[in-house]
Amino acid sequence: DTGVSQDPRHKITKRGQNVTFRCDPISEHNRLYWYRQTLGQGPEFLTYFQNEAQLEKSRLLSDRFSAERPKGSFSTLEIQRTEQGDSAMYLCASSLDRVSETQYFGPGTRLLVL
Amino acid sequence: DAKTTQPNSMESNEEEPVHLPCNHSTISGTDYIHWYRQLPSQGPEYVIHGLTSNVNNRMASLAIAEDRKSSTLILHRATLRDAAVYYCILKTSASKLTFGTGTRLQVTL
Repeated sequence: DTGVSQDPRHKITKRGQNVTFRCDPISEHNRLYWYRQTLGQGPEFLTYFQNEAQLEKSRLLSDRFSAERPKGSFSTLEIQRTEQGDSAMYLCASSLDRVSETQYFGPGTRLLVL
Repeated sequence: DAKTTQPNSMESNEEEPVHLPCNHSTISGTDYIHWYRQLPSQGPEYVIHGLTSNVNNRMASLAIAEDRKSSTLILHRATLRDAAVYYCILKTSASKLTFGTGTRLQVTL
């Protein structure tokens, strides 16, 4: 399978704990995106990378959130001191660097903070 | 990114054509019109995109108004597997997608 993969698919944690999610993009894609989706809403942009450089971060990305893409391949999204409001689906997507280029999404990681 | 307006929901019978409208009156000349859909419990999936001319692919057709202020996604024969939320998105740069709430399509037998 050469699609975007995400791990884990589901995560249940207690408030105050740290969690880390991983995304493996399509291998030749130099752009990688993170989105968050809550129930009944469309995905909301969090941040994106071109190769290893983080080029844009949304105001939704508080100081408790950090994302990395150290070698321009896989990426991690860490949430520190989780809050119940962080409960959501976290989606990763990848693409080539063209305006018309489509983004390919992974299946998402569903986070539940108790 | 410029904003799009879509109906909250639509219904269709199986094997009938479906026309999903999208208004984007503030579209700029460099905005591409993208459509994605999201099946239940899955990540969004690319459907089609266009700039000025109508487009066809194996999944759907995209009809773009001459003034580009609206577009229509056409599913030629809806199946139960097409039941999803369909998002119309304007994209200027090679960066983020700005999703609205989309149109929830229900397909019935």
